[in-house]
Amino acid sequence: EAQVTQNPRYLITVTGKKLTVTCSQNMNHEYMSWYRQDPGLGLRQIYYSMNVEVTDKGDVPEGYKVSRKEKRNFPLILESPSPNQTSLYFCASSWRLAGDNEQFFGPGTRLTVL
Amino acid sequence: GQQLNQSPQSMFIQEGEDVSMNCTSSSIFNTWLWYKQEPGEGPVLLIALYKAGELTSNGRLTAQFGITRKDSFLNISASIPSDVGIYFCAGENTGTASKLTFGTGTRLQVTL
Repeated sequence: EAQVTQNPRYLITVTGKKLTVTCSQNMNHEYMSWYRQDPGLGLRQIYYSMNVEVTDKGDVPEGYKVSRKEKRNFPLILESPSPNQTSLYFCASSWRLAGDNEQFFGPGTRLTVL
Repeated sequence: GQQLNQSPQSMFIQEGEDVSMNCTSSSIFNTWLWYKQEPGEGPVLLIALYKAGELTSNGRLTAQFGITRKDSFLNISASIPSDVGIYFCAGENTGTASKLTFGTGTRLQVTL
């Protein structure tokens, strides 16, 4: 089944404790992206990757890192989480971001930083 | 960063009613997209629009790409309980830094 998976689905952590949210897709997509969703703000892009070893900042990259060492995986790293990073996070992938290439979203990771 | 204004923020309607929501931007987009998010899941694409003035339907859903390329609307006819969710518009401009810009979302509740 074609899908985007994220782990963990739920995470409660404390300020300053490094964490990684994994994202994997099995559709051989080139383009992957991370968003955060906050009430009243919709989805805002954190980072995106056009292909392996090619990443770039989105609208809200501060406090986050990503890597794209393999085509299928695009982990999101919070080196020193803070309470303002409490949010719902989505990973998405597509063949590329142009024309009629649909972005497929993962099920989301709800992160709480105490 | 750029943000799309989506209205209304929320809607409470009765089953069978028609629904209309819209999205506006201060800048133009080449593509407008409409997504639906159900509780506990990620957004799923409903309709994609690629040309100014384009009107596209998907079952009971109809969406239009505004002539100015700065707005779009989504209509849902004869709503049913499974229409419940959050609807997001998104705009895209292709180029070297292609990305989607999402609207703030419209939360739809359907009562029997």
